[in-house]
Amino acid sequence: RKEVEQDPGPFNVPEGATVAFNCTYSNSASQSFFWYRQDCRKEPKLLMSVYSSGNEDGRFTAQLNRASQYISLLIRDSKLSDSATYLCVVNDPKLVFGAGTILRVKS
Amino acid sequence: DAMVIQNPRYQVTQFGKPVTLSCSQTLNHNVMYWYQQKSSQAPKLLFHYYDKDFNNEADTPDNFQSRRPNTSFCFLDIRSPGLGDAAMYLCATSRDRNYEQYFGPGTRLTVT
Repeated sequence: RKEVEQDPGPFNVPEGATVAFNCTYSNSASQSFFWYRQDCRKEPKLLMSVYSSGNEDGRFTAQLNRASQYISLLIRDSKLSDSATYLCVVNDPKLVFGAGTILRVKS
Repeated sequence: DAMVIQNPRYQVTQFGKPVTLSCSQTLNHNVMYWYQQKSSQAPKLLFHYYDKDFNNEADTPDNFQSRRPNTSFCFLDIRSPGLGDAAMYLCATSRDRNYEQYFGPGTRLTVT
């Protein structure tokens, strides 16, 4: 089993839609969880850290489910500018990147 | 203001010709990382420095070396680039291990 797994997508959604991605991890002792966004041919940029209680930043909500060993990212009211690859990152014990989920938001 | 800077942004080198990529940071972070990323793949960690301590990944080829002369700068040396080394090379920093990492814009390496 891979340390961090993501559905590669692509997720094709219309503007205004709500979309959710999950990311599963294999190490039950993991303590650090992040979501990054990466645009084509650019560097990854930190989107959110994921806290055990869940956290929200505007249209973005991240949640952690330790029992099932996954983290999720929910994007509400999708914008065209949300189109990107979303990378899940988990410590195992070093930080390990998932291969990413591609989101395409269309008008 | 840029916090993690990489130079050059684009580098073309010939097969077997040594090349050095540079990274600098203004965040005063303890940890600096080098990643290799190929198209549609996750960033692959090559090595990292925790302060002056060098930590190599087990599967990083010997062809890849690194130097960190001070807190702010870190270099990636590719001694004899092969065609398979063409990729985006990303530098990142973090305050400590397992904290969020901040990436530079990357250097895209082409090997001819």
